[in-house]
Parts: sequence; C-alpha cells; structure tokens
Amino acid sequence: QKEVEQDPGPLSVPEGAIVSLNCTYSNSAFQYFMWYRQYSRKGPELLMYTYSSGNKEDGRFTAQVDKSSKYISLFIRDSQPSDSATYLCAMTKTSYDKVIFGPGTSLSVIP
Amino acid sequence: DTAVSQTPKYLVTQMGNDKSIKCEQNLGHDTMYWYKQDSKKFLKIMFSYNNKELIINETVPNRFSPKSPDKAHLNLHINSLELGDSAVYFCASSPSSAGLAGAYNEQFFGPGTRLTVL
Repeated sequence: QKEVEQDPGPLSVPEGAIVSLNCTYSNSAFQYFMWYRQYSRKGPELLMYTYSSGNKEDGRFTAQVDKSSKYISLFIRDSQPSDSATYLCAMTKTSYDKVIFGPGTSLSVIP
Repeated sequence: DTAVSQTPKYLVTQMGNDKSIKCEQNLGHDTMYWYKQDSKKFLKIMFSYNNKELIINETVPNRFSPKSPDKAHLNLHINSLELGDSAVYFCASSPSSAGLAGAYNEQFFGPGTRLTVL
C-alpha cells in the first residue's frame, strides 16, 4: 500500500461547481497536511496547510483533515477556469521531515 | 525577481552522457531540495541540504550527486544517464529545517528542468 493515495482523475467540472478532492494515507504519524496546486509546466505552489485534525478555510478553498479515518479533503467552491490545474496532497510528520506527495488529481473547470 | 530558479529549463541528451542541473534561490532560505516528478506526476524527494549539509538522501542511484557550494545554490550532477532518468526535476527551498510546532515549513519550488534521455 502506498503511503499516500489520491485519485488521479482527470476531473472535469462546469464553472461554478463545488469540487471535492481527496487523499487517503497510511502513516498515522503524519501531522501536517498540505495541498499544492501545480499549473501545467510549472512548479507546485502551496495552496494551504492544516496541522493535525480539523478544518481550515481560505476564500473559496476549504481543507479538512480526519486523522481517525486517515482522510483529507480539499473543497473548492464556485470553481473558476483559473482553478484548472493538478492538485497534489502532501503530508509530513514534523515541519522538518521529508514531505510525501500524493500523485495529484488533474482538474479542469469548463467555462 | 525569481525566487527559485533552475537552469536549464529543458535538457535533451543521449544515454550514457553526464549532465548537470543548477539551482539558485534568493529567498535567504537555509534548506534546499531536489525532487523528481515522473510522467505520472509523482513528485518524490531525492535530496535535501540544510546550510550546505546533506540531511535527506533517499534511495537514489549513486549516479546522482548533489553539490551545495553555498546555502543559496544546490546543483545536481547525473552521471551515465539512463532512459529511466527522463523526468522533470524540481528544486525547492524552505526557510529552515526545524520550525515551531504547528507551523509548516513551506517549500517554494522552482520552475523545473525537463530532462529527456534518448
């Protein structure tokens, strides 16, 4: 079993839809949970992170972590064509440990 | 004004050759990384340096050798290139190898170097 699993998609939604992206993981020691966004032919950029369990909201984006189920989610409200990218979940045990990335979900938001 | 820069952006070479990729960051960060992203978009760490010292060395063939002349630069040299080395290589940097509990040590990525081995 891979340490971090993520549905690769591709996921295609109409503009304005709510998007749900998910990852599962196997290592209960992970404490930091991140979502990176990667546009085509660019480097990943951090979208948001959550420490331990709970929710975090930033504008149209909400990250959720359920450590008991080893499951994390990213919700995008009112999706825009500019949200079209690959979304990588990532996690680590401590802030200085190596980061394990999921394989990414490719998202297309159709105008 | 680029934060993390890499050269070259594209690299096409023959099997068996030796090549280098350079990385520079002007963010004043202490820690730098090399990642490999394969055709399926899997991003995997290869090496990490903190203030010129190697702190993470994943299971990477000996043909890959990182070098950090100072904390703003981390280069990657690859000997005897193989077809399976074809990938996008990303350099990244972060402020510190250790941070406050609860505060994520954000990694800033460069634009990537697309290596194709023929």
